[in-house]
Amino acid sequence: DAGVIQSPRHEVTEMGQEVTLRCKPISGHDYLFWYRQTMMRGLELLIYFNNNVPIDDSGMPEDRFSAKMPNASFSTLKIQPSEPRDSAVYFCASRLAGRFTDTQYFGPGTRLTVL
Amino acid sequence: LAKTTQPISMDSYEGQEVNITCSHNNIATNDYITWYQQFPSQGPRFIIQGYKTKVTNEVASLFIPADRKSSTLSLPRVSLSDTAVYYCLVVSSGGSYIPTFGRGTSLIVHP
Repeated sequence: DAGVIQSPRHEVTEMGQEVTLRCKPISGHDYLFWYRQTMMRGLELLIYFNNNVPIDDSGMPEDRFSAKMPNASFSTLKIQPSEPRDSAVYFCASRLAGRFTDTQYFGPGTRLTVL
Repeated sequence: LAKTTQPISMDSYEGQEVNITCSHNNIATNDYITWYQQFPSQGPRFIIQGYKTKVTNEVASLFIPADRKSSTLSLPRVSLSDTAVYYCLVVSSGGSYIPTFGRGTSLIVHP
């Protein structure tokens, strides 16, 4: 398996523009997570899905952020409009649930810079 | 949710054993402990996981005392390539699953 795939790897945009980040989880995994990482706040969970259904989005900072998972092999995280404080590395991870197991597989991340 | 506390940073030298301790005083019966490693410009990578006592794999050992209120990740004979951020997570095996990574422990291994 190719692992978790994220695109783009780097994104530079201007304040006010819409940004869409994409993720393809590992085939067969039933959980998908979106994280944001900054120096100040570390690695934060934004939202996660189980079987394509959003389970917890309490980490989504505000209404400008939205995430979808239309099918088991694709998810998007959208920021509209973007702001400079959204600059961060965004990670997607997938996991196969099991009792007393927790192995998340992370993608390479998308480095977002909002000017 | 069990809150974890771990040192922000640690320094070591090549060849030494490194122990990183994580406190999780309000761990619940259904919770288990997981450690991840993150290299610069990469996503975190699973290292080891345990519920109680000791777990060992090819990368590290995990020691969990009987009360489970803390855990210690042990890296034997570290090398420069072990320089990374290490995260301790306490997650539930049932009910709500919300992984919390926080800022982790930044380990720097010196020559």
